Amino acid sequence: NAGVTQTPKFRILKIGQSMTLQCTQDMNHNYMYWYRQDPGMGLKLIYYSVGAGITDKGEVPNGYNVSRSTTEDFPLRLELAAPSQTSVYFCASSFLPRQPENAFFGQGTRLTVV
Amino acid sequence: AQSVTQLDSHVSVSEGTPVLLRCNYSSSYSPSLFWYVQHPNKGLQLLLKYTSAATLVKGINGFEAEFKKSETSFHLTKPSAHMSDAAEYFCVVSDPQVSGGYNKLIFGAGTRLAVHP
Repeated sequence: NAGVTQTPKFRILKIGQSMTLQCTQDMNHNYMYWYRQDPGMGLKLIYYSVGAGITDKGEVPNGYNVSRSTTEDFPLRLELAAPSQTSVYFCASSFLPRQPENAFFGQGTRLTVV
Repeated sequence: AQSVTQLDSHVSVSEGTPVLLRCNYSSSYSPSLFWYVQHPNKGLQLLLKYTSAATLVKGINGFEAEFKKSETSFHLTKPSAHMSDAAEYFCVVSDPQVSGGYNKLIFGAGTRLAVHP
């Protein structure tokens, strides 16, 4: 089925480890987003991209990096994992440039840092 | 600055009874408002949106919401709850960015809806 695919679904990291959360979409959307969702909170934007080769910071970018080498893929990198990065991460994509409300969301990656 | 307050963190209803999830917003100009649903271990799904057209907005699965500017509210309702409605619901306001390529979505903290037989 078409949509946004995130891998892995679950991961436990030790403090100081690094990992990459993968996100791919097959809808040819230019706009892609990474959010984190903390318990009892809504989503906060980490990074977004308006097209291949173009990324920018959202509300909470510290501790993360992204790249966008292709239209389909938008990986999120954690270099030195910290307990504060324990969260559920959602990737999303949208066709229209200023309408993230119409974005398609992946199923999420639940990350625990211990 | 725009903000969203969901007045109840948990709501519990019996199947077949009405649902009311409350949301108040703060905005310095005409807002765009949305309700999303998140089922367990799933991503977000847009239920409905208000973008300055009709004040009563109908969404999917029988949900609707009414924009009341005088009360700065955007409450979500459904006449009759179904077991499948059990999920977390987020009220969201869109904040157009002067610079950048996106509208910033400001989320409420969420309301967890439980539906009992």
